[in-house]
Amino acid sequence: GAGVSQSPRYKVAKRGQDVALRCDPISGHVSLFWYQQALGQGPEFLTYFQNEAQLDKSGLPSDRFFAERPEGSVSTLKIQRTQQEDSAVYLCASSRIPLLADHNEQFFGPGTRLTVL
Amino acid sequence: DQQVKQNSPSLSVQEGRISILNCDYTNSMFDYFLWYKKYPAEGPTFLISISSIKDKNEDGRFTVFLNKSAKHLSLHIVPSQPGDSAVYFCAASRSGGSNYKLTFGKGTLLTVNP
Repeated sequence: GAGVSQSPRYKVAKRGQDVALRCDPISGHVSLFWYQQALGQGPEFLTYFQNEAQLDKSGLPSDRFFAERPEGSVSTLKIQRTQQEDSAVYLCASSRIPLLADHNEQFFGPGTRLTVL
Repeated sequence: DQQVKQNSPSLSVQEGRISILNCDYTNSMFDYFLWYKKYPAEGPTFLISISSIKDKNEDGRFTVFLNKSAKHLSLHIVPSQPGDSAVYFCAASRSGGSNYKLTFGKGTLLTVNP
């Protein structure tokens, strides 16, 4: 398909486990974003990549969260030693242009629902 | 502290009538506003946006109104259709180096009844 894809769609982890969430952005999209959406909340910004460079990681909640995009395409969000409060839907979005100006459109994937028991 | 607020968790309207979804913001630095629509098990999809230099933007059945002095915006859907039933998120961003960073409200669940 032509949209943003994410895998797995659902992930159940035991507290303390490490997890890795994958995002395949739309081909050719320069910008990539990760958001965390807790139950009943709106998405909250985690981090931003322009190609392979992570330009903003101010939203990552702790040093247990790590994101990478080594070749400027696929991205992985890794959470180490998962805690119950990490349970959320993790959304990936991509955009064609580096700095979003007038047409500030981000295309979202379906998300990965993480449940930490 | 929530910078973008959608105070109505849900809204129910009859097919063919107008749906009005409201959004308030507190950060006066926000100058670009977007509405996203989300179906269950899907990611949010962009619907319509407005820059702070305008007070109205229209796209088909969807119109967004911005009242900067009140820090309030609203999305009007006319006429409403059952397929419009979804969660609607209001989002805001600011110009400058971090204009990519969207701040979302909690969303409003719209149900359009046939």
